[in-house]
Parts: sequence; structure tokens; C-alpha cells
Amino acid sequence: QSVLTQPPSVSGTPGQRVTISCSGGSSNVGSETVNWYQHIPGAAPKLLIYNDIQRPSGVPDRFSGSKSGTSASLVISALHSGDEAEYYCAAWDDILNGPVFGGGTKVTVL
Amino acid sequence: VQLVQSGAEVRKPGASVKVSCKASGYIFTGYYIQWVRQAPGQGLEWVGWINPNSGATNYAQKFQGRVTLTGDTSVTTAYMQLDNLKSDDTAIYYCARGVPYSNPGGTWGQGTRVAVSS
Repeated sequence: QSVLTQPPSVSGTPGQRVTISCSGGSSNVGSETVNWYQHIPGAAPKLLIYNDIQRPSGVPDRFSGSKSGTSASLVISALHSGDEAEYYCAAWDDILNGPVFGGGTKVTVL
Repeated sequence: VQLVQSGAEVRKPGASVKVSCKASGYIFTGYYIQWVRQAPGQGLEWVGWINPNSGATNYAQKFQGRVTLTGDTSVTTAYMQLDNLKSDDTAIYYCARGVPYSNPGGTWGQGTRVAVSS
């Protein structure tokens, strides 16, 4: 049982916009910044979004993050076939004194 | 900036495993090293962190008493030792760099597969 809640899966056709939600609590998402990671099996997780909304250099601007209260979202504005992967949100938890992760959302491109 | 982990390990239940994470390209003592694992069919799970500068650590409650994180600044390497291994410790273990009191950042090791089987 993950501390942060994500939908197990989302899907879309190429070019479609998809949104992944991440729900937490006051000790994590509500008070600390959220990161999003893309994880393809066999590779290390890749940082997509940090500090709720910031994109590392090299990450396409099709990926964007937002946060309101204890919920965060990752938007892929125009889905590509190469976006098929598992996506995880994470936030520092002030009570646990460590990061907590969502259960992951599998993105399928139809 | 790079983290390079040691190779795959196979252990029997009850044994211990020690995974290394060699850092390069940055000031080792300036960042935490986080350890995260992914068991087959499961999501990412935080194991613990170490501050290589002070040696301070914090472990996820699930691993308390079984995991030990250490760092050797002379060789800029962090280590994770997991004792009393169980079959459900079979997973890929990742180290990741992070700023203090924050999530893992953009630099991760390639992962170390640990298999626990009798």
C-alpha cells in the first residue's frame, strides 16, 4: 500500500493529452515538493518534473506538472509511442523523514 | 555526474548482501544518497538515505534493524547492506543522489538485481 495514490493505468492515442493524478496528505504533498519519474523496465528511473513544476533540461515541454493542496498532476500534452512507461510521483514526508512514492501509473499508447 | 552500482547478487534466505554505489563528477559529501528498490511487479519503494558528510542515516520502518547504509568518502562510495534476507527482498536496488531533505533527483545508479532463493 503506497502512501501516495495514483491511478493504476491511463491510456491514449498518439497526440492525445493524458493526465496522471497523485494524491497525498498534509505531511507530504501538502507541505513538500513533488517529483515525477518515468520508469521503463530495465532502466533507471528518469526525473521528469521536480519542485512540482520544474523540468530538467532535456525533458520535452510536452511534460508538465502542477499541484494544488494535497494533490499533484502530471500532464503529457501530446502522447508519443515512446511515452509508454510507468510513471511515479514522489514527495518528501515530514513525519517519515524520507520520500514516499505513489504506486505508479502505467501509460499505454493505443 | 554519475552513480555506478555493483553487479547482480544471488543469496540464500537468511544471508546478507552488500551493494555499492560509486559516485563521480560531483562533491560526494554535498548530497544525500537515497536507496530505492523495485520488487517484481511492484512499484518503487524507499529503503533509506545517508548523508555522506555526517554519516547520518534514516531508514524506512519496514527495513529498520535489517538495513545498514554507510559511506566511504575516501572512495566516494555508498553502501547498502541488507541482512536476514527473505524471498520478498528479491528486487532491483537503486541508489540515487538527492539534496538534503528532498526527493531523489535526476542522477540514479543503473540498479543492482538481488535475487534471494533457496
